[in-house]
Amino acid sequence: EAEVAQSPRYKITEKSQAVAFWCDPISGHATLYWYRQILGQGPELLVQFQDESVVDDSQLPKDRFSAERLKGVDSTLKIQPAELGDSAMYLCASSLVDRDEQYFGPGTRLTVT
Amino acid sequence: LAKTTQPISMDSYEGQEVNITCSHNNIATNDYITWYQQFPSQGPRFIIQGYKTKVTNEVASLFIPADRKSSTLSLPRVSLSDTAVYYCLVGDPAGNTGKLIFGQGTTLQVKP
Repeated sequence: EAEVAQSPRYKITEKSQAVAFWCDPISGHATLYWYRQILGQGPELLVQFQDESVVDDSQLPKDRFSAERLKGVDSTLKIQPAELGDSAMYLCASSLVDRDEQYFGPGTRLTVT
Repeated sequence: LAKTTQPISMDSYEGQEVNITCSHNNIATNDYITWYQQFPSQGPRFIIQGYKTKVTNEVASLFIPADRKSSTLSLPRVSLSDTAVYYCLVGDPAGNTGKLIFGQGTTLQVKP
């Protein structure tokens, strides 16, 4: 069964450092999502791509976060500089079309010290 | 933007049927209702999606009354492995009514 791949699975970084996460969606899925999930809360959508275009980044802290999906396939989410409050699980998901069933990756657990 | 309200937590015992209700009073005409399950340290997993009346698959049933202002996820004969957080989402598959919001979810604890 096809799966969404994410790396790294765990990342520890010091505040003010840069960090990047990678996501490879299920082949053929046009829509890609990045979520942030703080412990005890539901996932919060950070950015949504349709192919290579951003369709929603209203909740992305653009002063420090950036996301790209250059060829409409895999995607990178970057934080620079990282802050203590960025410690969370970062989840990537993909779907065939917008609002269709989303398939989630295993996530990247970020700890900022 | 349709907001959902769910109980924070529920307890059940193995073998029982569990019903989790979600309120979505301002659901829009084109919105669908979708439920996800999440285990600790894993990403959410799709359970079921519906628009009206009743939908059933191999793991759950979804009941939606005529006014669509609420929905109920029904898990038949739960086991310990059904202990998880369950999220109710409301949104338009065509993406016309705003982004999907997960909310806080319902933590289901199944006891032996």
